[in-house]
This record gives sequence, C-alpha cells and structure tokens, in this order.
Amino acid sequence: EPEVTQTPSHQVTQMGQEVILRCVPISNHLYFYWYRQILGQKVEFLVSFYNNEISEKSEIFDDQFSVERPDGSNFTLKIRSTKLEDSAMYFCASSYRPWGLNTEAFFGQGTRLTVV
Amino acid sequence: AQTVTQSQPEMSVQEAETVTLSCTYDTSESDYYLFWYKQPPSRQMILVIRQEAYKQQNATENRFSVNFQKAAKSFSLKISDSQLGDAAMYFCAYCHSGGSNYKLTFGKGTLLTVNP
Repeated sequence: EPEVTQTPSHQVTQMGQEVILRCVPISNHLYFYWYRQILGQKVEFLVSFYNNEISEKSEIFDDQFSVERPDGSNFTLKIRSTKLEDSAMYFCASSYRPWGLNTEAFFGQGTRLTVV
Repeated sequence: AQTVTQSQPEMSVQEAETVTLSCTYDTSESDYYLFWYKQPPSRQMILVIRQEAYKQQNATENRFSVNFQKAAKSFSLKISDSQLGDAAMYFCAYCHSGGSNYKLTFGKGTLLTVNP
C-alpha cells in the first residue's frame, strides 16, 4: 500500500539553527500539507501546497517557515531559525484532491523536532 | 472560525466491549465533512471513518460507526467489539466543503485504552 514517508523520525537541533524536515508524498498525489502537534495539544494546520505554490497557510506559518518541492518527489519544510516553541511533532500529508472535495489524505509517521 | 471539541481526554474500554468517543464542532457552514483519525503508538495518523454533512445516514466501517447529529453539531464514534489494536489516540476533524479548501481542523484527541 502506498504511504507517505518522513525523515528523520527524530531531530534535535540547537535554538537558532536551521532545520529541514523531509517528506516523500504518495507518487500520484497533487496536494501536500504540513501539520504540527505540540506535545499534549491538538494537531494544527501549517500549510498546504499545490502546483508548486502555497495554496493556504495558517498564522503559525510565518517568515521563519518555508516549503519546497525541490525535485518532484520530496516535499520539505524548512524552519530558518528554530525557537524552543518550535519543538513539536511535524506531520506531512498528501492527497490527490483538496480535502474540501472529500478526498482521503494520507499522513506520514511524523518527525519529532526537539529544539534545545 | 471552525472549532472541534473532544471533551474526553481519556477513555478506557474492556476488550470486546463497546465504547463511544464524543466530538462536537462549531461551524456556520452547511456543507462539510467530518473525520475520525486514529493515531497509534507508531504515530502515523490513519483515517478511520468519514461523514459527509449532506448525508443523513450515519457512516459505518466494520466495527466503527458514527452518530452524526447535524443540528446538535455532534459527531461521536462508536467502536464495537473493541480489540487491543484499537488502543490509540483518536482525533475528530472537520473540513468545510469546496475545491479551494485545503485544511483539516482537529480536536485535541481522546486517548483510548483497551483493557484485556
């Protein structure tokens, strides 16, 4: 069964450092998403990406964040200068159509980011 | 803004028994979708069941069924014949309908323990 894969599974980084989280979406999917889950809190939407551009982003997704699909298979989330409050589980998801068209989206296993 | 509330942070059930997880939501939209996602210890979020708001009939998937009360904005998940593998965090999620909608709004989750 196709799946979304994320690497690394756990990343520890120093505050102020740049970090790149990687995702390989399902191959025929066209819509890509990043969500995050701070420990003990709800899963929050960060950004969606379609046709090589951001289609929607939340207020969390400020100038410190960027997304890219550099090579047609990977989908990356970059945090330019990490803060302690960026520590969270980051989930990538992909779908063939937007969620609003009742499509099924698939999530990866997440990357746990710890900022020290 | 849409909100999703799961009022039970934790629930437990005996193996083979039935358990119901609660979810309420707030929206001014009339057309939307509701989802239950399962997040086992492996962390990957898996779609359990989904419901289209325009359908009066409650969705069912094997041992999983929902009680969708549109007027009350309630969307509970019933798990029948609970199995040890059902132990997980369960998230209720909302998405309003439309081809330009790209995000899910999640509740805080309910941690389900299944006792042998």
